[in-house]
This record gives sequence, structure tokens and C-alpha cells, in this order.
Amino acid sequence: AQSVSQHNHHVILSEAASLELGCNYSYGGTVNLFWYVQYPGQHLQLLLKYFSGDPLVKGIKGFEAEFIKSKFSFNLRKPSVQWSDTAEYFCAVNEDTGRRALTFGSGTRLQVQP
Amino acid sequence: GAVVSQHPSRVICKSGTSVKIECRSLDFQATTMFWYRQFPKQSLMLMATSNEGSKATYEQGVEKDKFLINHASLTLSTLTVTSAHPEDSSFYICSARLANTGELFFGEGSRLTVL
Repeated sequence: AQSVSQHNHHVILSEAASLELGCNYSYGGTVNLFWYVQYPGQHLQLLLKYFSGDPLVKGIKGFEAEFIKSKFSFNLRKPSVQWSDTAEYFCAVNEDTGRRALTFGSGTRLQVQP
Repeated sequence: GAVVSQHPSRVICKSGTSVKIECRSLDFQATTMFWYRQFPKQSLMLMATSNEGSKATYEQGVEKDKFLINHASLTLSTLTVTSAHPEDSSFYICSARLANTGELFFGEGSRLTVL
């Protein structure tokens, strides 16, 4: 079975600081990788996804993530965070076999201080 | 993007009663919907996969007689928590798969509190 680990549970940054959130997965086969964001009181929204091709994926709102297959990692980055980025961030994986249910990491709460 | 709506967003009920949560895909047809449960400060745990017109597939450890799932149409799946207990209190989230792209869209979630 696959699993997803997000090691940073709570991150506090000042505005304009750079962000990197870690995500590691365990699964030996081909995977699809996702980052979702959940703003306070709102539903999950897709930030970016990786299916194949360029391992550096750019998403919405200036976020990007890099798939490093040898490290089983898909870390999320943003060069300069804003107060509006305060939210919960979830990394998710599904097997590229068609079942399509996502396995989620435990989430990282990002708090950006003005 | 596509919209998935859950109703109710919050529900409080007494122990022993049953509660139904609806998940609707508002502007697309979803042959597959997924139901997740999220405990405080924890990840989303897949409960079951709901396929239109067939029985739901439950994950190991999820009681199918307690969490009844019905996917009667391409735009509606329901989760009924039967004979609810306080330990069933949780945040329930559904997601619907857009058939042509496979992309998943999530509902706002439903917070169930069982007294």
C-alpha cells in the first residue's frame, strides 16, 4: 500500500520568506502526484499536479513542485509567500493504475505573518 | 473549474439516529465519487469509492452497514451514517471524478457532531 509523509506539521513564516514543504511517498510503481490547498473555511483546491514529463511542475499562485523519483519526493516551493497563503497544504498520491483514489499526507499548516 | 457541493455543511445529531450527507457534482457528470473522513489535525482517510449504478467499494476497516453509500445518478452520491455514535463525529469530504480528464474535485466537507 502506498503512504504519504509530510514532515512539517506547522510552519510559520513572515511575508516574503521562501517556502518549501516536504512530501515523501512510498510506492514502487508509477504514481501521479498532487498538492492541494485548503484555505480556512473552504474546500480543497488543486494547486498543481504531476503525471509525467518535466519533473518541475508549476501551479497556481506562484507555487511549484519538483518530483525527484530517486528520493520519492514531491516538495512544494514558493519563492516569496504572502499573508493570503495561510492555509493547510496536503500532498496526495495515486497509483497510475486507474483506481484514482488519492492517498493524502497528514497536511501542513502554513501560517504567514504580515 | 468544476464544482462539487456537499450538504449539509454542519449537522448535529443524537446518538442512535441516522444522518444523510449529500454530494453533488453541479456542472459535470461524475461516474465515480470518493468519500473521505478527516479527523482533527489528521489526514483525509479514504472510506469508500462510489460508482454510479453499482455498489460502493469500501476500504478495509470501514463498516459498510454503518456507512451506507448510494450513487443513484451521475451527479449525486449520498453517505448515510446509521445509528450514529459520538465516535462517528468527524469531517466527511467527498470528491468527484471528472470522467473525461480524471481530475478530482472536492466538496466543502460536512462536519458531523454526534451528541
